[in-house]
Amino acid sequence: DTAVSQTPKYLVTQMGNDKSIKCEQNLGHDTMYWYKQDSKKFLKIMFSYNNKELIINETVPNRFSPKSPDKAHLNLHINSLELGDSAVYFCASSQGRKANYGYTFGSGTRLTVV
Amino acid sequence: DAKTTQPNSMESNEEEPVHLPCNHSTISGTDYIHWYRQLPSQGPEYVIHGLTSNVNNRMASLAIAEDRKSSTLILHRATLRDAAVYYCILRFDTGANSKLTFGKGITLSVRP
Repeated sequence: DTAVSQTPKYLVTQMGNDKSIKCEQNLGHDTMYWYKQDSKKFLKIMFSYNNKELIINETVPNRFSPKSPDKAHLNLHINSLELGDSAVYFCASSQGRKANYGYTFGSGTRLTVV
Repeated sequence: DAKTTQPNSMESNEEEPVHLPCNHSTISGTDYIHWYRQLPSQGPEYVIHGLTSNVNNRMASLAIAEDRKSSTLILHRATLRDAAVYYCILRFDTGANSKLTFGKGITLSVRP
């Protein structure tokens, strides 16, 4: 069973479109995250939710809107896609927000905007 | 978050031990030392973490210097599958929203 699963794995879309990426975890964790890895391979945190509440919101364009319908799901909706949004997006989860907990990551969604 | 410094890359031979160093001279008393790795085309994977004492698990060992200003991730017998980018990360325990901030990491190559 996959612990943190993301769909789709690949997404190719045109500029200006709106798209969503879904994430689900079956680990019973209460905290979920979205990370972005750009072409230079830097991983940056975007958002974090704890029990459906937004707790971390980094400097991300407001075209990006996370939604957590329950603590097992964290989706990412992106409006008006731009070329610079092309990246690999990783979802992750952890049990708790403290520094003593490790994260479990999904396998990523490669978004290509053309 | 306090910074870590890692070499850009390291090479090892298969079936030999690998010691991956990390310097964190500005570490604070409540910073946990975390290690993650990212295999090609995969998501990051938790390896190990510790606070003050050395730690062992099925994947690796973490040796923490007495002054905590450096640490070493030890892979006891490298395999080709261990070729990855390894990230040494400090997580400040705020008691609330402690986040995982990735740096450049060290790229480990394993020779057959």
